Amino acid sequence: GNSVTQMEGPVTLSEEAFLTINCTYTATGYPSLFWYVQYPGEGLQLLLKATKADDKGSNKGFEATYRKETTSFHLEKGSVQVSDSAVYFCALSKYNQGGKLIFGQGTELSVKP
Amino acid sequence: EADIYQTPRYLVIGTGKKITLECSQTMGHDKMYWYQQDPGMELHLIHYSYGVNSTEKGDLSSESTVSRIRTEHFPLTLESARPSHTSQYLCASSEFRTGYEQYFGPGTRLTVT
Repeated sequence: GNSVTQMEGPVTLSEEAFLTINCTYTATGYPSLFWYVQYPGEGLQLLLKATKADDKGSNKGFEATYRKETTSFHLEKGSVQVSDSAVYFCALSKYNQGGKLIFGQGTELSVKP
Repeated sequence: EADIYQTPRYLVIGTGKKITLECSQTMGHDKMYWYQQDPGMELHLIHYSYGVNSTEKGDLSSESTVSRIRTEHFPLTLESARPSHTSQYLCASSEFRTGYEQYFGPGTRLTVT
């Protein structure tokens, strides 16, 4: 079946450090891939997405590239800020499943000043 | 910004009470979802709807029920709350036109004493 696996957290970084959160998926065909972010006490917000192989999604300095050959969608940011502290979820969606999202388990990021 | 609303944001209630968590969206999306989020952050799909008068159970068994009488409204009801129902409940919506990107409400944090 379809699944998403994220690197375990929590991840603790100093401000301005480089961030990578690994995400790999299992799915047949060509799913769409998403990164969502959840700030404390809030719902999830879409951070970026990619709908086909080699697409790069980007937003707010975050980037992720859809790599079909390695079934990965790793999230990166060159210089994190304290305000990036949140929980990050990788997810996939397939049209033939009516838009249901399959989420990874979430990775908590804490950025220290 | 997503136009999806959940009320109440926080609810503390005693065992055995009947409760309804409200979710409304003004985007005209046909698909709506309820997730339960445990303290370990993982998201579990408990109900979804593909349109008016269409509801399905999700991947995680839940004692709650849902209804979809209007496109914009997708309430969740617990007939008799128990401490095991204590959790964060997130509502979301999506549609085919946006590639099934899901928009989330702010969540309801339910505590059953």
